[in-house]
Amino acid sequence: AQSVTQLDSHVSVSEGTPVLLRCNYSSSYSPSLFWYVQHPNKGLQLLLKYTSAATLVKGINGFEAEFKKSETSFHLTKPSAHMSDAAEYFCVVSDFRGFKTIFGAGTRLFVKA
Amino acid sequence: GAGVSQSPRYKVAKRGQDVALRCDPISGHVSLFWYQQALGQGPEFLTYFQNEAQLDKSGLPSDRFFAERPEGSVSTLKIQRTQQEDSAVYLCASSLLEPQETQYFGPGTRLLVL
Repeated sequence: AQSVTQLDSHVSVSEGTPVLLRCNYSSSYSPSLFWYVQHPNKGLQLLLKYTSAATLVKGINGFEAEFKKSETSFHLTKPSAHMSDAAEYFCVVSDFRGFKTIFGAGTRLFVKA
Repeated sequence: GAGVSQSPRYKVAKRGQDVALRCDPISGHVSLFWYQQALGQGPEFLTYFQNEAQLDKSGLPSDRFFAERPEGSVSTLKIQRTQQEDSAVYLCASSLLEPQETQYFGPGTRLLVL
């Protein structure tokens, strides 16, 4: 069975410092992995996705994530946080065997001025 | 605007009432998903359609929940005899073909059952 664990419910960083949001997954087959962002009162938006091509995936707004099969991780990073990055971030897993998409519990990112 | 739309955006129901939530996916999208997002939690999968076929309904919490997509485009999620625990945001998403592709989400319907 698939599962996804976001290791931090809240992360707080200062503007201009690096961001690291951690995600571990479990899947018996080669998974598709995604990061979505949800700003207050806005819909979920795709940041980036991994689908078995390059292990380092670049997304929008300077975010990137690295797929590490040996560690079953797909952590999200950004070199320099901006105030507009404050939002809820979800790590998501699905695989080709079925139709169910599994969301992590989310990590709320706070950015201090 | 060619995004996913949902209506109503907000719905208040008295316990025991039936509600119907509508989703208009992006035109031509084959795959359609429904999710339930409780306050402070991540979305939880409810059901999946490929065109008009409901291929996975394993996430529906009870037989009070019913979803349909009769012509392979618009979908309706119906909740009968609503209970307070049904209060949540209901999200609809669509993807072009395969369920593993990028999903495009609607703004959600916020349901409050009193």
